[in-house]
Amino acid sequence: EDKVVQSPLSLVVHEGDTVTLNCSYEVTNFRSLLWYKQEKKAPTFLFMLTSSGIEKKSGRLSSILDKKELFSILNITATQTGDSAVYLCAVEGSQGNLIFGKGTKLSVKP
Amino acid sequence: KAGVTQTPRYLIKTRGQQVTLSCSPISGHRSVSWYQQTPGQGLQFLFEYFSETQRNKGNFPGRFSGRQFSNSRSEMNVSTLELGDSALYLCASGEVGIGAGELFFGEGSRLTVL
Repeated sequence: EDKVVQSPLSLVVHEGDTVTLNCSYEVTNFRSLLWYKQEKKAPTFLFMLTSSGIEKKSGRLSSILDKKELFSILNITATQTGDSAVYLCAVEGSQGNLIFGKGTKLSVKP
Repeated sequence: KAGVTQTPRYLIKTRGQQVTLSCSPISGHRSVSWYQQTPGQGLQFLFEYFSETQRNKGNFPGRFSGRQFSNSRSEMNVSTLELGDSALYLCASGEVGIGAGELFFGEGSRLTVL
């Protein structure tokens, strides 16, 4: 059965800290892995990863995929209170569905 | 460019009733997918429609159904509501579909079943 596991489930840090969020997966016929940020209702897209070892960057956020070890990490440097959110990892499953992890709730304290 | 619009935003139903939720995708997007989000299970895939055809379906009972119209707007229906159907229902639109690019989510429809 396809599955996505995120860790940690929650994390509290102070502004300026660097955090690493983890996402491991077991999916037949992997095609892509996506990261989303959910603050209140609508998840917003962060990254889509398809190739192993290629880092995607957007400002203070970056992500990389390891297809051999079946995981991805999302890094956030110099965290700000506005980074507080639930970060969701999703993988396209073998049947064309999208499988989400339970998410990591990040709280950034001033 | 307008975002993904979902209606209604909030609704309350009682067990046994049925509900219809609507999703208007971003103009030009042909893929619409639906998700159920609950605190215990997280986000779970319901189904995806592309050009009026159901392309993929998640592991939900037949009480959950959907359709897509020629203008790409989509509706999902839940019949014979159960307490466990209380959730945030999100839809997402994309140009091509799941796994092929960015999906844009709506704000969701919060369903409470009493």
